[in-house]
Amino acid sequence: DVKVTQSSRYLVKRTGEKVFLECVQDMDHENMFWYRQDPGLGLRLIYFSYDVKMKEKGDIPEGYSVSREKKERFSLILESASTNQTSMYLCASGEDSTDTQYFGPGTRLTVL
Amino acid sequence: AQSVTQLGSHVSVSEGALVLLRCNYSSSVPPYLFWYVQYPNQGLQLLLKYTSAATLVKGINGFEAEFKKSETSFHLTKPSAHMRDAAEYFCAVSPMNYGGATNKLIFGTGTLLAVQP
Repeated sequence: DVKVTQSSRYLVKRTGEKVFLECVQDMDHENMFWYRQDPGLGLRLIYFSYDVKMKEKGDIPEGYSVSREKKERFSLILESASTNQTSMYLCASGEDSTDTQYFGPGTRLTVL
Repeated sequence: AQSVTQLGSHVSVSEGALVLLRCNYSSSVPPYLFWYVQYPNQGLQLLLKYTSAATLVKGINGFEAEFKKSETSFHLTKPSAHMRDAAEYFCAVSPMNYGGATNKLIFGTGTLLAVQP
């Protein structure tokens, strides 16, 4: 069974902290994605990666960075967390644009 | 810019009734289209997808959607709602440009489906 796992389901951090969200997929997919999900706004793409060490900005990259050192792992980094980054973060992986994107269960991040 | 619009953020139906969730897209080049479902406290999972083959697409759990180019629509239907269908549904478009696929998805804002007993 295909699987995308995220390091935490719930996370509480303080303003200014550096936050790491980890995502691992076991399907050998080329593409990996980070989205944030907010009520009434749907899912918005933060960053995606189409190969190891390759990344591209999505629609809302400000305040975030990413790292992909290995094919199966894609990390989202909040350099200095702010309260407006309180959200649900979803990781996904997929082969190409016609392929299904497989989603992890999400990390609900609260920044106090 | 290519986009997708879901009409109705909340839809309520009775158990056994028809489910119709609306999705319209804007794209000058016919895109790939997807419907995903999110059950409470879970990630998204694919219901069905259109990738320029048959215009009527059948998915899991009895759902289907029809691609209508003239109406730029991809509405999701199910003949008879079940309590377990209560979830949030997202329409998504994989934008195409004249160079080909872009490997990204643009999501609608979601429709929360409630099923009344």
